[in-house]
Amino acid sequence: KQEVTQIPAALSVPEGENLVLNCSFTDSAIYNLQWFRQDPGKGLTSLLLIQSSQREQTSGRLNASLDKSSGRSTLYIAASQPGDSATYLCAVKNQAGTALIFGKGTTLSVSS
Amino acid sequence: EAGVAQSPRYKIIEKRQSVAFWCNPISGHATLYWYQQILGQGPKLLIQFQNNGVVDDSQLPKDRFSAERLKGVDSTLKIQPAKLEDSAVYLCASSRNGQTTDTQYFGPGTRLTVL
Repeated sequence: KQEVTQIPAALSVPEGENLVLNCSFTDSAIYNLQWFRQDPGKGLTSLLLIQSSQREQTSGRLNASLDKSSGRSTLYIAASQPGDSATYLCAVKNQAGTALIFGKGTTLSVSS
Repeated sequence: EAGVAQSPRYKIIEKRQSVAFWCNPISGHATLYWYQQILGQGPKLLIQFQNNGVVDDSQLPKDRFSAERLKGVDSTLKIQPAKLEDSAVYLCASSRNGQTTDTQYFGPGTRLTVL
């Protein structure tokens, strides 16, 4: 059974810092991995999607990497801003299914 | 293109009462998902529909939860009777045809509080 773990559960940093969020999964037979952002009281916004054959994806100040063999992904946020404060969720889609399996998320707080 | 719509956005009920949530997926999307997100947890799939048929409901507590998508478009998720542990955000998502290659698009969610 696929399990997704995110570390740390919470993170507080001052504005301008570069930071890394970690995601690990137990079954390497994934189709893709996706990073979402969730603001309080809101739905999920997709940030980056990495196919299993890819190593990384970039969007603006965000860079996500994937090491499928070791069951790990990282989300790198450069030059953090207060507007980046949110919960970041990692989700995998197994090769055998279509539903997403989520981690518990990392709640990020960026202070000005 | 309009996104996934859900209503109501918030609902507060007493335990043992019943409640229903509504979801309207993106036009033309054949696959619809309901996820439950308990505070501090990631979303967990409750049920997946392909058109008006159920693909996966293995994690749906069928003694109290039910869902339908009668015409293959809108969907309703019902809880009867509600328990305290049902307090959560209920997210609806849709995708074009349910293939592994599809992207899921999420609605804003319905936050349920059971007192």
